[in-house]
Amino acid sequence: DIVLTQSPVLAVSLGQRATISCRASQSVSISSINLMHWYQQKPGQQPKLLIYRASNLASGIPARFSGSGSGTDFTLTIDPVQADDIAAYYCQQSRESPPTFGAGTKLELK
Amino acid sequence: EVQLVESGGGLVQPGRSLKLSCAASGFTFSNYGMAWVRQAPTKGLEWVATISYDGSSTYYRDSVKGRFTISRDNAKSTLYLQMDSLRSEDTATYYCAHPRELGYFDYWGQGVMVTVSS
Repeated sequence: DIVLTQSPVLAVSLGQRATISCRASQSVSISSINLMHWYQQKPGQQPKLLIYRASNLASGIPARFSGSGSGTDFTLTIDPVQADDIAAYYCQQSRESPPTFGAGTKLELK
Repeated sequence: EVQLVESGGGLVQPGRSLKLSCAASGFTFSNYGMAWVRQAPTKGLEWVATISYDGSSTYYRDSVKGRFTISRDNAKSTLYLQMDSLRSEDTATYYCAHPRELGYFDYWGQGVMVTVSS
């Protein structure tokens, strides 16, 4: 299975930029298609799709969220961070079956 | 508006069975594959199973193969997960999710809790 590694916690100040990383144990890209996706999950709620195919904003997601990366290294950026963004963030790959998720990065206020 | 509403969770003893349901609305259910994803308490997300739009193909994670069965009733727009021989490690919130062609999940239900304990 492809293992996705995320830092457990990221502390950030409101109004600043948050950069959340995800590293895959092998490439999750096919040609120019990067099969890495990002979700936000708040306590007691279901996950919400933020970014698909590494850099495409899902419907209704604010433009302060963005994604980048290819191959094995991917980044979710939130700029500027707002109070409503305090949550856990998960990356997910669909390059190979089974689809796998990172363990999540909890975004906390500094 | 797409809605996915799970039901059927609860407390069950190890070795027993439970069947989850997911009622879908707001889209043409019979045109799309569907999936179950779970999350153990305070843990991350884990894909469980996927079924094709017509039910002809099913896929499972290794740890549930032979114990769980994913199925669907397109006439009722409902997805199911039959869970047999349950183990304590199956304790989790189970989410019904809609997978897109490139493998990401764009809609999720609110989740249903399954607790396996004696």
